[in-house]
Amino acid sequence: GESVGLHLPTLSVQEGDNSIINCAYSNSASDYFIWYKQESGKGPQFIIDIRSNMDKRQGQRVTVLLNKTVKHLSLQIAATQPGDSAVYFCAENYDKFYFGSGTKLNVKP
Amino acid sequence: KAGVTQTPRYLIKTRGQQVTLSCSPISGHRSVSWYQQTPGQGLQFLFEYFSETQRNKGNFPGRFSGRQFSNSRSEMNVSTLELGDSALYLCATSKGPNQPQHFGDGTRLSIL
Repeated sequence: GESVGLHLPTLSVQEGDNSIINCAYSNSASDYFIWYKQESGKGPQFIIDIRSNMDKRQGQRVTVLLNKTVKHLSLQIAATQPGDSAVYFCAENYDKFYFGSGTKLNVKP
Repeated sequence: KAGVTQTPRYLIKTRGQQVTLSCSPISGHRSVSWYQQTPGQGLQFLFEYFSETQRNKGNFPGRFSGRQFSNSRSEMNVSTLELGDSALYLCATSKGPNQPQHFGDGTRLSIL
């Protein structure tokens, strides 16, 4: 029969607005986290990472926030552009990497 | 510098056959991890190699195997292919465990 795909949550934003993508991780012992962006037909692209001894890290137009108390990670994208449309994954590392199911970001021009 | 290179990009096989996929890491990267990505299961970890040794293994049957060569290039092999093995197989490399991991664009395997 037809396989059922993961239901990816979708975030729709207007071009120029800020985007916030959230991720709940599972293991309180995870000490390293990465955000990836995956466009159709391509592999995941590294965006930004953060270690557990930090709670915030900034890159170009992106900021990652880590809240270890509630095991929550977020990715903020400033001034979102149509080229930011993609699926975004968080990954946590505890001995190996574990990936979330992803959030689809749809940027409306 | 060159990114992670996976070959071939596309592959069509029939049930029962076997397949070998290749991954060339970024220069200086000694850790190679393999993942299976499907619409139904997302990204599933297959195995990780570091300095030619399997460091970690996911929950896949023994039909899935891999190896790493002295130049850090890695191959994965799937024997006795099943329809459910149709997926995008991704390789990710890093300088070592718990280090920034970078992906190739994958091999799209279709089983007929």
